[in-house]
Amino acid sequence: QKEVEQNSGPLSVPEGAIASLNCTYSDRGSQSFFWYRQYSGKSPELIMFIYSNGDKEDGRFTAQLNKASQYVSLLIRDSQPSDSATYLCAVNPRRNRDDKIIFGKGTRLHILP
Amino acid sequence: DAGVIQSPRHEVTEMGQEVTLRCKPISGHDYLFWYRQTMMRGLELLIYFNNNVPIDDSGMPEDRFSAKMPNASFSTLKIQPSEPRDSAVYFCASSTGTGRLGYYGYTFGSGTRLTVV
Repeated sequence: QKEVEQNSGPLSVPEGAIASLNCTYSDRGSQSFFWYRQYSGKSPELIMFIYSNGDKEDGRFTAQLNKASQYVSLLIRDSQPSDSATYLCAVNPRRNRDDKIIFGKGTRLHILP
Repeated sequence: DAGVIQSPRHEVTEMGQEVTLRCKPISGHDYLFWYRQTMMRGLELLIYFNNNVPIDDSGMPEDRFSAKMPNASFSTLKIQPSEPRDSAVYFCASSTGTGRLGYYGYTFGSGTRLTVV
């Protein structure tokens, strides 16, 4: 089983709708969870991080974490064409106090004008 | 802050040649990471350093790859000899590591697109 799994997409969402991106992880002891956005030809940029079960909101973005189900999601409200990008889910497994982050392969999101 | 600085932005080299990629982390960040990104494999961690010391190099593909961090402001990733399958985008990232509430994530450089022909 891969450590971090995401649907590769593309996920097509009409402008103004809610985009929902999902991610599962294999290490039950994982502590920290991240969403990065990567535009084509650019480097990943951190948009959200979450540590506790439940929801965390930042503007149009909401990260959701369910540790019992080993599931992380990202909701983007009022989707804009500028949100079209690849979204990478990432997890810090924290095995042996390890500080590395493991990335999923990403979900391509396309916002339809 | 200028962010994480990588050079060169693009590198085209012939198979068998030595390639050196460079990275300057954000000042004050004591962790530095080297990743490789391809369509097939996504972002793969190659090696990371803490306070200039290599902590985990289990992702380095083979002995052709080596990385150094001689001081807090500079790191290199060297491939010798290079092969076409090394073609990828190589990212450097830095961070402050684990804080009181957990891990704060990385800041990535702009990457080096390596093409080996």
